[in-house]
Amino acid sequence: ETGVTQTPRHLVMGMTNKKSLKCEQHLGHNAMYWYKQSAKKPLELMFVYNFKEQTENNSVPSRFSPECPNSSHLFLHLHTLQPEDSALYLCASSQEREYGELFFGEGSRLTVL
Amino acid sequence: EDQVTQSPEALRLQEGESSSLNCSYTVSGLRGLFWYRQDPGKGPEFLFTLYSAGEEKEKERLKATLTKKESFLHITAPKPEDSATYLCAVLSGSARQLTFGSGTQLTVLP
Repeated sequence: ETGVTQTPRHLVMGMTNKKSLKCEQHLGHNAMYWYKQSAKKPLELMFVYNFKEQTENNSVPSRFSPECPNSSHLFLHLHTLQPEDSALYLCASSQEREYGELFFGEGSRLTVL
Repeated sequence: EDQVTQSPEALRLQEGESSSLNCSYTVSGLRGLFWYRQDPGKGPEFLFTLYSAGEEKEKERLKATLTKKESFLHITAPKPEDSATYLCAVLSGSARQLTFGSGTQLTVLP
């Protein structure tokens, strides 16, 4: 496997469910990111991890909980989501923090019913 | 606060019809301007980095240029496979993260 891999690619969940998104990068990068992409809106940065330590949390609601067990893996735990949370969730990595050259996964399309 | 505005929102071209996409930005100390391509249902793919006014980068039919206020992505003789959404982003001296524009959705008709 190469690049950044995200699973699942599609997820449908009810408002009371708990689910997790997984991201794995095979590039040897030190920084990993979660972005939210909604239609017609710019990419929104949610969380940043640098060397497994969370460095950014852009006022994301607590119903989104990130986890970074090592520099290659990143999770986004989801619980009691709202329909407006339906979006494409993108994981990305970069060589270092504050690099503009990001490598993105293909995303997880989330639908909250 | 950094701001990035891309225009037009959508662009339809005939195959071979050259055009340009615009990215206007307002930042405090530009550290870099980045272009990405995003195909439907996929994550963005990095294309170019520009660091200073006057700089140009080329890749196949694409050429990116940078001034102190905006960047252009010129597409020469586009083909249908160039159809995608093109995203512009900036990294500034004050912000520790990329600021993205909303993108330009390009459709190239055969």
